[in-house]
Amino acid sequence: GEDVEQSLFLSVREGDSSVINCTYTDSSSTYLYWYKQEPGAGLQLLTYIFSNMDMKQDQRLTVLLNKKDKHLSLRIADTQTGDSAIYFCAESGGHSSASKIIFGSGTRLSIRP
Amino acid sequence: DAGVIQSPRHEVTEMGQEVTLRCKPISGHDYLFWYRQTMMRGLELLIYFNNNVPIDDSGMPEDRFSAKMPNASFSTLKIQPSEPRDSAVYFCASSPTVPARGYTFGSGTRLTVV
Repeated sequence: GEDVEQSLFLSVREGDSSVINCTYTDSSSTYLYWYKQEPGAGLQLLTYIFSNMDMKQDQRLTVLLNKKDKHLSLRIADTQTGDSAIYFCAESGGHSSASKIIFGSGTRLSIRP
Repeated sequence: DAGVIQSPRHEVTEMGQEVTLRCKPISGHDYLFWYRQTMMRGLELLIYFNNNVPIDDSGMPEDRFSAKMPNASFSTLKIQPSEPRDSAVYFCASSPTVPARGYTFGSGTRLTVV
C-alpha cells in the first residue's frame, strides 16, 4: 500500500534554514502536502503542490518535488521559534482513493538559540 | 467561518463505558474524515463520509467503533465499550471536494480511557 516516510526529529538554530524531507511510494499521487501541528492543536495546512510541479514558493516556505525519486522537501527560511512544531508530509490521489490523504509520521522541528 | 468544531476537547472515561465524540464540519463541505493520532501509530484514517454517506470504513479498528453522519452538519464517532488502548487524540476534518487543497482539521478530542 501507499506509504509516506519522514525522519522523526530535526533541530536547527534560530535564523538558519530548516529542510524537512519526505519520501512516498505511490507514483500516482496527485497532490502532496505539508501540514503543521502545534502542541494541543489540530493539523494546519501549510502548503500543497500538484504533482506536475517541481517547486512552489510561499513567503518563507519552499517546496521541492522530485517526482522521479518520489521525494518531497519543505524548506523554511530564517527559522523562528514560532516554527517549532511537528510537520507532516502527506499525499493524495494515489491508487487507494483520490479522496484519502495519507500522512507520514511527522517530523518534530525544534529550534535552538 | 468557525472552522471544524469538535466536542468535547478532553474526555476521561472508565474502561467499558461508552464514549461519543462529536464533530461539526465546515458548512458546505461535502467530505468528513475521522482520524486517530497516537504516538505509536501516528495519524490513522478511521472512516470518511461523502455527502453524509460512509465511503470507506476500512480503518475502523474493531466493531466497538462506529460512526454516523445523520446530516451535513453533524457526525459522531462512538466507542462501545471503550478500552485503555483506545486512548488517543481523535481528529475530525472536512473538505469541500476531493481534497485538492487539503482538509481543514478540528482541534481534536483527547480521549483517555482508564
